[in-house]
Amino acid sequence: DTGVSQDPRHKITKRGQNVTFRCDPISEHNRLYWYRQTLGQGPEFLTYFQNEAQLEKSRLLSDRFSAERPKGSFSTLEIQRTEQGDSAMYLCASSSHPFSPSTDTQYFGPGTRLTVL
Amino acid sequence: AQTVTQSQPEMSVQEAETVTLSCTYDTSENNYYLFWYKQPPSRQMILVIRQEAYKQQNATENRFSVNFQKAAKSFSLKISDSQLGDTAMYFCAFYNTNAGKSTFGDGTTLTVKP
Repeated sequence: DTGVSQDPRHKITKRGQNVTFRCDPISEHNRLYWYRQTLGQGPEFLTYFQNEAQLEKSRLLSDRFSAERPKGSFSTLEIQRTEQGDSAMYLCASSSHPFSPSTDTQYFGPGTRLTVL
Repeated sequence: AQTVTQSQPEMSVQEAETVTLSCTYDTSENNYYLFWYKQPPSRQMILVIRQEAYKQQNATENRFSVNFQKAAKSFSLKISDSQLGDTAMYFCAFYNTNAGKSTFGDGTTLTVKP
């Protein structure tokens, strides 16, 4: 397994368009997380899944945002009617749950950089 | 809700010297993990070191070590023998085991000078 992958790596879109991002976690990980990171800031939690169940959504995740993990493997994050304020890096991470005693952590993907014009 | 504060937006250190990055957090939880992550410019975030809250012994990983003061809610990172490749943004993160999510600080940009 080569780690967490995300596609696309970069997305430029016009305001009002819909975009969808994909995340492929490490295969044996049952938890998958989405974060948003703006320039010069730390990642902010958006949502996470335990297998296919979405267990928590941040208040940052407005009605225009939806995330799915239909088969408990890959996940998609869709943003409808994009706004300029949505421009950010969207990070996906995965982990096992519970953490193993000595080595486990959240493993991050390279991110998808979204630019809304 | 948890908060994580990194009070040093930028730091610099000479190659081969030692530098300490500070982090404080606030929580009412007892069961949690603390992490330091490294994010080089335009590159992926990777784990530097982790600490389980129930362990009193400070974690070490080669040139990286932490000073974990649970009562003071402090979790600083010491980098010894700094190398040019250590130049990156460093994030302190609190992982809430029950809530299943991490809260990050705003990061410290570390520059290692030759």
